[in-house]
Amino acid sequence: AQSVSQHNHHVILSEAASLELGCNYSYGGTVNLFWYVQYPGQHLQLLLKYFSGDPLVKGIKVFEAEFIKSKFSFNLRKPSVQWSDTAEYFCAVNKKSGYSTLTFGKGTMLLVSP
Amino acid sequence: GAGVSQSPSNKVTEKGKDVELRCDPISGHTALYWYRQSLGQGLEFLIYFQGNSAPDKSGLPSDRFSAERTGGSVSTLTIQRTQQEDSAVYLCASSLAQRGGQETQYFGPGTRLLVL
Repeated sequence: AQSVSQHNHHVILSEAASLELGCNYSYGGTVNLFWYVQYPGQHLQLLLKYFSGDPLVKGIKVFEAEFIKSKFSFNLRKPSVQWSDTAEYFCAVNKKSGYSTLTFGKGTMLLVSP
Repeated sequence: GAGVSQSPSNKVTEKGKDVELRCDPISGHTALYWYRQSLGQGLEFLIYFQGNSAPDKSGLPSDRFSAERTGGSVSTLTIQRTQQEDSAVYLCASSLAQRGGQETQYFGPGTRLLVL
């Protein structure tokens, strides 16, 4: 079975700082990769996804993530965070075979101070 | 359009009681998922419905948990004889299921369950 590891449970940054949230997965086959975000009081929503092609994917609000197959990683980045980026971020993976459910990491809580 | 809705928003119950949680998926979505979100534990998959296929129940933690989906739409998650460790946020998601997993799941607001 696949698993997802997010290295940081809590991250605190000042506005305009750069962000990188780590995500590693374990699975021997080919996968799809996702980052979901949950803003305070809101539903979990998709931030970006990788299925195939260019390993650098861009999502909403200037977020991007890079799939490095050799490292089984899919780290999330943003060059300059804003107070409104305060949220919990979840990395997720599913298999490319048949119908497959998502396996989520435990999440990283990001707090951006103004 | 309307998103995924769940009811109730909050549920407080006593240990040993049964509870039912409801999910209304996005109209036309063939797949429906239940997850459990506990503090510091991320999202734990519980059960998955896809069209008319038999549900994938591999994530249910015990036989006290069951779920059904009527008419390919509304789903109910039932927890019998609730225990304190069942306290969590129960999330429902739906999607237009795609072979190969290339789909976006849309989540509801969740039901926060507290077992006293």
